[in-house]
Amino acid sequence: DARVTQTPRHKVTEMGQEVTMRCQPILGHNTVFWYRQTMMQGLELLAYFRNRAPLDDSGMPKDRFSAEMPDATLATLKIQPSEPRDSAVYFCASGFQTGPQETQYFGPGTRLLVL
Amino acid sequence: AQSVTQLDSQVPVFEEAPVELRCNYSSSVSVYLFWYVQYPNQGLQLLLKYLSGSTLVKGINGFEAEFNKSQTSFHLRKPSVHISDTAEYFCAVSERGGSEKLVFGKGTKLTVNP
Repeated sequence: DARVTQTPRHKVTEMGQEVTMRCQPILGHNTVFWYRQTMMQGLELLAYFRNRAPLDDSGMPKDRFSAEMPDATLATLKIQPSEPRDSAVYFCASGFQTGPQETQYFGPGTRLLVL
Repeated sequence: AQSVTQLDSQVPVFEEAPVELRCNYSSSVSVYLFWYVQYPNQGLQLLLKYLSGSTLVKGINGFEAEFNKSQTSFHLRKPSVHISDTAEYFCAVSERGGSEKLVFGKGTKLTVNP
């Protein structure tokens, strides 16, 4: 049963620290999405990649957030420096474009708390 | 740009009762429509999607949704719910022929009581 995996599942850190979240997409998928979920804003798309190239990162605060895909099996989302307002659940999703709209398969999320 | 409105933030129902979760969208272009479910402490799972063709779409777990273009709605229904359907449900939209970006509604928390 192929699944998207995310590490860590939970992270508590102090303001100003660097946070790195990792995602392993389903093998063979060529698209990776990063979402942030908060009570106030709901689910927001931060960035997404196809074939490891960034297609859209307009939802991501550029000054502190960065997203990369070092290889096809790993996507990373970094926050440096972290702030309390970054506290949220961060989801990674992957998909493979076979038609007009691919299905996105979500990971279990990384729950981040910045103190 | 697209937007999605889920009119009810919480919907409590009794087991075996029918349920409808409402979703309206706004877009200047044609769209694809989706419903996702999120169980506690888990990621989202696709329930069903409308891409084209029949406006009545059947999904997993006995759910179905109907696309109504004139009312810009995509309401989710189930004729008889189970305790295990307790979860949060998200309606989402993406631009037909555009990027794959999904715009989500704020979610509806469905609670099924015995």
